Amino acid sequence: AQSVTQLDSHVSVSEGTPVLLRCNYSSSYSPSLFWYVQHPNKGLQLLLKYTSAATLVKGINGFEAEFKKSETSFHLTKPSAHMSDAAEYFCVVGGYNFNKFYFGSGTKLNVKP
Amino acid sequence: DTAVSQTPKYLVTQMGNDKSIKCEQNLGHDTMYWYKQDSKKFLKIMFSYNNKELIINETVPNRFSPKSPDKAHLNLHINSLELGDSAVYFCASSQVRAGHEKLFFGSGTQLSVL
Repeated sequence: AQSVTQLDSHVSVSEGTPVLLRCNYSSSYSPSLFWYVQHPNKGLQLLLKYTSAATLVKGINGFEAEFKKSETSFHLTKPSAHMSDAAEYFCVVGGYNFNKFYFGSGTKLNVKP
Repeated sequence: DTAVSQTPKYLVTQMGNDKSIKCEQNLGHDTMYWYKQDSKKFLKIMFSYNNKELIINETVPNRFSPKSPDKAHLNLHINSLELGDSAVYFCASSQVRAGHEKLFFGSGTQLSVL
């Protein structure tokens, strides 16, 4: 079975400081993992995905995530937050045949000026 | 061109009414989905269709009936709307093939049942 746990429902950072959004996954096989971002009143946009290639994955807008099998984690990071990064972020694991995607409960990122 | 488009964007209706939400994707994907996002932003899959065939039906009330006339369209019809149906409904599509799996989302339909 697959599942995803996002450890923080809210994260607040100051503009220009690093961002860390935490995600742990559970999967009975080698997973495909994704991060999606949802800006207010918008649909979801793919930030990045991991599919058993390089463990450090670079995405759009300066975000990256590192797959750590030993820790079953796929945390999302960004060196320097921008005001436009304020949004809801979802960690997602792909099901065995990719017919199903399991979403975490989301982390709301607030960026203070 | 919008990859996954759903209409309407907003839907306000009375309890007991029947309403439909339409979704179309022009990406050539073989799988389409309906997700429900509640007020706490939690996303829950409702249905998944692969090449017009229903493959996932997640304990959704019978009042919800998806219809896929072709693999580019997946519509959602809701009968006898209830207050608890108020949510944002997202259509999505993907190509179910290793290396190509990722979800493309529509912009959502905000349903308000009064």
